[in-house]
Amino acid sequence: DVKVTQSSRYLVKRTGEKVFLECVQDMDHENMFWYRQDPGLGLRLIYFSYDVKMKEKGDIPEGYSVSREKKERFSLILESASTNQTSMYLCASGTGGIYGYTFGSGTRLTVV
Amino acid sequence: KQEVTQIPAALSVPEGENLVLNCSFTDSAIYNLQWFRQDPGKGLTSLLLIQSSQREQTSGRLNASLDKSSGRSTLYIAASQPGDSATYLCAVRAAGTASKLTFGTGTRLQVTL
Repeated sequence: DVKVTQSSRYLVKRTGEKVFLECVQDMDHENMFWYRQDPGLGLRLIYFSYDVKMKEKGDIPEGYSVSREKKERFSLILESASTNQTSMYLCASGTGGIYGYTFGSGTRLTVV
Repeated sequence: KQEVTQIPAALSVPEGENLVLNCSFTDSAIYNLQWFRQDPGKGLTSLLLIQSSQREQTSGRLNASLDKSSGRSTLYIAASQPGDSATYLCAVRAAGTASKLTFGTGTRLQVTL
């Protein structure tokens, strides 16, 4: 089975801090994604990547950046955390073909 | 822009009932549709994936159907159990575009004893 691992289940950070959320997959997938999930708004795409060093903005990229230096790792960076970035962050990977996508267990980030 | 809607937003049923969750999408040009389950505070678990050329997929007590032309999918759960209590999400992947998924806001299901 594909495994998508997010480095932290819970994080508490202060306003203005630089925050790194890490995601690692073990199946050599080309595609990786970062979503955030908020009550009433559902899952919204922040950034995605098709290959190493390639990235594209999703629907809500403001305040975020990403890094993909190795195929298995996709990092989400909050350059200067703000309270409105308190959310559940979900990473996913896949080939997008007949096998669909696999999600990690999520990181609940609280910015105080 | 693709929009995905799930109705109802919440549903409570007694154990043993059969139930149907609905998903509709505005752009019928999809590549596939995936149903997920999410337990409180957890990530998403994939349940079923239907390709655009398929009409339905089955896994155990779950059956998902797809009517691409009308922009609808249903998830049928037979003989519901308390362990089925969770939020169910549908997501569509658009054809001919980036491989991203567009999600509905989910149906929160509670199965009572």
